Amino acid sequence: NAGVTQTPKFQVLKTGQSMTLQCAQDMNHNSMYWYRQDPGMGLRLIYYSASEGTTDKGEVPNGYNVSRLNKREFSLRLESAAPSQTSVYFCASSATSGPPHGYTFGSGTRLTVV
Amino acid sequence: QQQVKQSPQSLIVQKGGISIINCAYENTAFDYFPWYQQFPGKGPALLIAIRPDVSEKKEGRFTISFNKSAKQFSLHIMDSQPGDSATYFCAAGSSGSARQLTFGSGTQLTVLP
Repeated sequence: NAGVTQTPKFQVLKTGQSMTLQCAQDMNHNSMYWYRQDPGMGLRLIYYSASEGTTDKGEVPNGYNVSRLNKREFSLRLESAAPSQTSVYFCASSATSGPPHGYTFGSGTRLTVV
Repeated sequence: QQQVKQSPQSLIVQKGGISIINCAYENTAFDYFPWYQQFPGKGPALLIAIRPDVSEKKEGRFTISFNKSAKQFSLHIMDSQPGDSATYFCAAGSSGSARQLTFGSGTQLTVLP
């Protein structure tokens, strides 16, 4: 099925460990996004990539890095995980031509940092 | 800081009732206002969206009402069903190159049978 695929679905890290969250879309979308979802705070933008080869900070970028590997893939890296990064992470993609489009979200990665 | 304020945080409605969720925005450059529906353990999914050139858009039991002068928009769910129980997010964005969306804080809707 076409859409956005995120891996892994669940992860437990110890404080200070690193990991990379993977995201791939097969809809030929130009823009990709990483959001985190915390109770009562909605979805907050971490980083986004308007097109292949570009990345920009969102609202809450501290502690994260991203790589737009190609048009399909956009990864999020935690270099030194902290308990404050315990959250559900969503990747999304959207088209950037024609009328505004909604995002297509992946199913999320639930990350716990202990 | 661009903001979208959403209320209420939680809502309980009887089956067959009307659910109403409200959002307000600040940035007048916003020109796209979608609503997302999220079930537990799933990612948000686009439910319905509106552009500011219309005041209302209806799709089945779901209606968006838009008030440009007040910078407010709302989601109405008519004849609410238990299957509508989910978290709903409003969002706002502009037709810029990145098409970023700013999301509200979410409303957890429970429809009682």
